[in-house]
Amino acid sequence: GIQVEQSPPDLILQEGANSTLRCNFSDSVNNLQWFHQNPWGQLINLFYIPSGTKQNGRLSATTVATERYSLLYISSSQTTDSGVYFCAVASIIQGAQKLVFGQGTRLTINP
Amino acid sequence: DGGITQSPKYLFRKEGQNVTLSCEQNLNHDAMYWYRQDPGQGLRLIYYSQIVNDFQKGDIAEGYSVSREKKESFPLTVTSAQKNPTAFYLCASSRRGASSQNEQYFGPGTRLTVT
Repeated sequence: GIQVEQSPPDLILQEGANSTLRCNFSDSVNNLQWFHQNPWGQLINLFYIPSGTKQNGRLSATTVATERYSLLYISSSQTTDSGVYFCAVASIIQGAQKLVFGQGTRLTINP
Repeated sequence: DGGITQSPKYLFRKEGQNVTLSCEQNLNHDAMYWYRQDPGQGLRLIYYSQIVNDFQKGDIAEGYSVSREKKESFPLTVTSAQKNPTAFYLCASSRRGASSQNEQYFGPGTRLTVT
């Protein structure tokens, strides 16, 4: 099956800093999503980005499908950005998609 | 408001008891999914359903069962056969099929503790 690796596993930054989170995957995919898991466990959708680049405020993401990686950029970090960021990928098999998650990057933003 | 609801938020059970977790969505999505998350880990797929009265096993289906009698509802039963049932359980839904717009959306989760 598809393998997903995220790096770094942990990242500690001061408020205002920029960060780059990486997601490598082992096979071609139809779906790639980035999520932020808040302290209460809720998974918040950040990007649906199987290829290309998207931006949403201080966050942006780029997926290079041919090289099997995706990057999530967070600029001007705020303490509310703290939490775990997950990358998840899926292939479509017989019309069904099964997301495979990475282990996550735990981001801590200190004031 | 459109969304996915899971109940209860916290659930405590004694070992040997079956327990059913609720998941309801009003997004008019055909596909629904159940995932399990253990501390410090990513999510793993338990079961998924693309259409009413049909469902398939995911990667860790042993000790779990599901039903899909209505489009809006996809309850998960954690049976006494599940060896390590204590975990955080998340339900998700999406449009069905190979469309490029089949992004998955998640409910708030249920924390199950079995002692």
